[in-house]
Amino acid sequence: DTEVTQTPKHLVMGMTNKKSLKCEQHMGHRAMYWYKQKAKKPPELMFVYSYEKLSINESVPSRFSPECPNSSLLNLHLHALQPEDSALYLCASSQQTGYEQYFGPGTRLTDT
Amino acid sequence: GDSVTQMEGPVTLSEEAFLTINCTYTATGYPSLFWYVQYPGEGLQLLLKATKADDKGSNKGFEATYRKETTSFHLEKGSVQVSDSAVYFCALRISNFGNEKLTFGTGTRLTIIP
Repeated sequence: DTEVTQTPKHLVMGMTNKKSLKCEQHMGHRAMYWYKQKAKKPPELMFVYSYEKLSINESVPSRFSPECPNSSLLNLHLHALQPEDSALYLCASSQQTGYEQYFGPGTRLTDT
Repeated sequence: GDSVTQMEGPVTLSEEAFLTINCTYTATGYPSLFWYVQYPGEGLQLLLKATKADDKGSNKGFEATYRKETTSFHLEKGSVQVSDSAVYFCALRISNFGNEKLTFGTGTRLTIIP
């Protein structure tokens, strides 16, 4: 299994304003990443987890809260969303930090 | 800081044409270099990579050579197909312990017409 899966595929901000994105890999990778990609722009790194510990936070607003419950799973919890949060959220994993990153298909978050 | 500069798109070519997408970089250390491809509505796929000077990465008919003297990593393909239509990102990573950030170029949108 050489795949990174992400759910859901699409998410609308809506009224509840509290969302969760899920990322899963079964390649035994010990590093996982969250990226944000705006339309027609390159991905921007948000967070890096290494061995289930947060190792890099690229000054992301506190309304984005990552979580790594185990080595295969990475979540991103969102609350009090802003219109500028509309983007494609990409998850990636690698054997360890410093190795090739494999990307998932992304979750597209759109404004109402 | 580290940066990647790609040729401006969009690029439109006819099927079977020769493709070059230019990429140059600025880096303080010794980077590894990558080309990623993003098909419409999908995530990024690693296309090829090179980890040291004069290395040539190749995959699916695409090639790129790590040129330290010109700080370049241009992507080439001899004969493009309609299925190659996508956005191509050049990226670098400095292999320092604790610095695992991929720095991407702005992307080049490629459209191949039959």
